[in-house]
Amino acid sequence: DAGVIQSPRHEVTEMGQEVTLRCKPISGHNSLFWYRQTMMRGLELLIYFNNNVPIDDSGMPEDRFSAKMPNASFSTLKIQPSEPRDSAVYFCASSLNNNEQFFGPGTRLTVL
Amino acid sequence: AQSVAQPEDQVNVAEGNPLTVKCTYSVSGNPYLFWYVQYPNRGLQFLLKYITGDNLVKGSYGFEAEFNKSQTSFHLKKPSALVSDSALYFCAVRVSNDYKLSFGAGTTVTVRA
Repeated sequence: DAGVIQSPRHEVTEMGQEVTLRCKPISGHNSLFWYRQTMMRGLELLIYFNNNVPIDDSGMPEDRFSAKMPNASFSTLKIQPSEPRDSAVYFCASSLNNNEQFFGPGTRLTVL
Repeated sequence: AQSVAQPEDQVNVAEGNPLTVKCTYSVSGNPYLFWYVQYPNRGLQFLLKYITGDNLVKGSYGFEAEFNKSQTSFHLKKPSALVSDSALYFCAVRVSNDYKLSFGAGTTVTVRA
């Protein structure tokens, strides 16, 4: 199994630009999570999907952030417009029936 | 509410010595406890979990953890540390009927040769 796949691995953009992060969960997993990791705030849960349906988006910081899961094998996290304070590492994780979560390698986002 | 505390930001040990990374938790309900390891520029990697049963849980790479309900602790241990164990370790907790994992702040382990 290839594990959770995320792309891109690194993204550098300018303030105001749209950023789209992509995630392919492990095949057969029915739960998907987006996290953000920063030195100051540690790991924060942004949004949780179960069976492709958003269940909890209370961690999404602002309306600039949106996430979709059009099918069981793909999810996106979009930031529009991006700001320097969005710079962080964004992780996608998946699990089966809320067992242990398996994390992707992350996307390191830098907003200039 | 649920929370995890990792009281040590850093742990330094010599190779071959025992390694312990401390974790205490607070939940309302039955805890599900997890340990993850993060190597530089990588995602979190699952090490082990406690759901129920034997309080001593064995996981990947020779790690084990002991669930102590009275002390609300779930310390990670390895009898003989390797230089390659140097990484950032996270403890996490959730209640049995919930999906939301609460992570500790992480403990940086450095194993010197």
